[in-house]
Amino acid sequence: ETGVTQSPTHLIKTRGQQVTLRCSSQSGHNTVSWYQQALGQGPQFIFQYYREEENGRGNFPPRFSGLQFPNYSSELNVNAFELDDSALYLCASSRDRVELETQYFGPGTRLLVL
Amino acid sequence: DQQVKQNSPSLSVQEGRISILNCDYTNSMFDYFLWYKKYPAEGPTFLISISSIKDKNEDGRFTVFLNKSAKHLSLHIVPSQPGDSAVYFCAASYAGGTSYGKLTFGQGTILTVHP
Repeated sequence: ETGVTQSPTHLIKTRGQQVTLRCSSQSGHNTVSWYQQALGQGPQFIFQYYREEENGRGNFPPRFSGLQFPNYSSELNVNAFELDDSALYLCASSRDRVELETQYFGPGTRLLVL
Repeated sequence: DQQVKQNSPSLSVQEGRISILNCDYTNSMFDYFLWYKKYPAEGPTFLISISSIKDKNEDGRFTVFLNKSAKHLSLHIVPSQPGDSAVYFCAASYAGGTSYGKLTFGQGTILTVHP
């Protein structure tokens, strides 16, 4: 098993810009979830993808969008950055939608919006 | 609306003693609870879980207790070790429609275990 990897590790953007964050799922995992963790807070669910389809979404605006590819890797796209978007973005992959214990998190991408 | 709360931002414990981390929730639909540990520059890692049909689950030094009537769960670590020093998150989920697989996290508690 190779583990969950994310790129880039750090990113600095200005307000109004757009960014794509990437996540490589653990081998054999078909589900990926994205979370936003603001400083001093717990991770907050953005959305989940299962077999390339969105399978649930948290309370985030449409400018947060995602994709899951046939190899089950995933992207998180954020448009029109706002200062409040500064956070650690975590992705987590799991063997299936319902197997919470097998949800492995990547190290995250730390995004700073100036 | 903070549905899962960890009211203690930090906890300091002596090595060998018990660490007790607490978590409260407000959503009665939650039926599955998990604890995660997070080291700096790493993602959270799963520690232990409990279903709402149980009131206790044990795994080695880690025990989770669930009090459904009080909507409260706690994680006990006995004995505590310096390597347990990390941020601990409790998380909750429920099997409702597309909600299953969505985790709602608390704010986290920083545990420091002193040698």
